[in-house]
Amino acid sequence: EAQVTQNPRYLITVTGKKLTVTCSQNMNHEYMSWYRQDPGLGLRQIYYSMNVEVTDKGDVPEGYKVSRKEKRNFPLILESPSPNQTSLYFCASSSRIRGMNTEAFFGQGTRLTVV
Amino acid sequence: AQSVTQPDIHITVSEGASLELRCNYSYGATPYLFWYVQSPGQGLQLLLKYFSGDTLVQGIKGFEAEFKRSQSSFNLRKPSVHWSDAAEYFCAGIHMNRDDKIIFGKGTRLHILP
Repeated sequence: EAQVTQNPRYLITVTGKKLTVTCSQNMNHEYMSWYRQDPGLGLRQIYYSMNVEVTDKGDVPEGYKVSRKEKRNFPLILESPSPNQTSLYFCASSSRIRGMNTEAFFGQGTRLTVV
Repeated sequence: AQSVTQPDIHITVSEGASLELRCNYSYGATPYLFWYVQSPGQGLQLLLKYFSGDTLVQGIKGFEAEFKRSQSSFNLRKPSVHWSDAAEYFCAGIHMNRDDKIIFGKGTRLHILP
């Protein structure tokens, strides 16, 4: 089954304790991205990757890191989480046709609470 | 700047009534447009998409949307809603530049009255 898998689904952590949220897709998509969703603000892009070893900042990259060592995986790293990073996070992937992204496929989300 | 706007934050309709959710976009060229649905505690699921061709597109769960270039709109419709349609709906478009970022509207939360 084609899917984007995020882990964990729920995470409570303390301020400053490094954490990683994993994301994996089995559709051989080139494009992957991370979003955070907050009430009243909709979905905001954190980072994206056009292909392996190619990553770039989205709209709200501060406090986050990513890597793309393999095509299928795109982990999100919070080196020193803070309470303002409490949010619902989504990973997404897209294929590309004629140089353009097509629709995004989303993971189930990771609800992160930083205390 | 390219943008996607959903004017209604909340919409309430009775079960069995028709539904129309509004979406407006601002793009220079013909955009790629999408509607997604997010049920509580779930990720976003694609309802339908418009790339080119027929301006009336059919999607899953009985939804359809019509692309109207003259009005810069891509409204989502359903002739008769079910209680299970209660969810948040996002309109989105592809940002036509180097990075092809998907731009999302802020979402419309649909409430269904029994």
